[in-house]
Amino acid sequence: RKEVEQDPGPFNVPEGATVAFNCTYSNSASQSFFWYRQDCRKEPKLLMSVYSSGNEDGRFTAQLNRASQYISLLIRDSKLSDSATYLCVVDEGSGNTGKLIFGQGTTLQVKP
Amino acid sequence: DTEVTQTPKHLVMGMTNKKSLKCEQHMGHRAMYWYKQKAKKPPELMFVYSYEKLSINESVPSRFSPECPNSSLLNLHLHALQPEDSALYLCASSYSGRASSTDTQYFGPGTRLTVL
Repeated sequence: RKEVEQDPGPFNVPEGATVAFNCTYSNSASQSFFWYRQDCRKEPKLLMSVYSSGNEDGRFTAQLNRASQYISLLIRDSKLSDSATYLCVVDEGSGNTGKLIFGQGTTLQVKP
Repeated sequence: DTEVTQTPKHLVMGMTNKKSLKCEQHMGHRAMYWYKQKAKKPPELMFVYSYEKLSINESVPSRFSPECPNSSLLNLHLHALQPEDSALYLCASSYSGRASSTDTQYFGPGTRLTVL
């Protein structure tokens, strides 16, 4: 079982659609959770950290379910500029290092 | 300012060459990272420096040699690389090197390396 699993997609959606990505992680000791966005041939950029209570940033909402070891990202009113790969990222669980575990990424293509 | 800079942007080298990749940050971060990323794959951690000391080496071949001259600079020295080492090499930094939701990693733009 992969440490962090995501559906690679691609998700092809029209502009204005709502799209949801899911991610599961295997280490119950993990404490920090993130969504990064990576455009083609660019570096990953932090989209948002994910908190137990859930958090929202504009059109983006992230949820964490520790019991199910499940993280989600919801994008509302999709824009063409949201087209990218979304990486689910989790810490390795010891709390002593900065080591992060990356999912394979989910590709989103928003069409006009 | 959340900027991590990397030079060069692109590098082509032969298998017998020696070259170095450079990374710099001025955010006062005390942890710096090297990652390797192949096409359509997620970044793979190579090395972590925390407070200028090497804290993680993910069993990287010795033809890759990291160096942290000070808390703002990170180098990756390359020697006798193989064509399969061609990839995007990403540098990142974070405040303390202890993963938390508030101690996030910021990535540089990367060096795209081609080994002939």
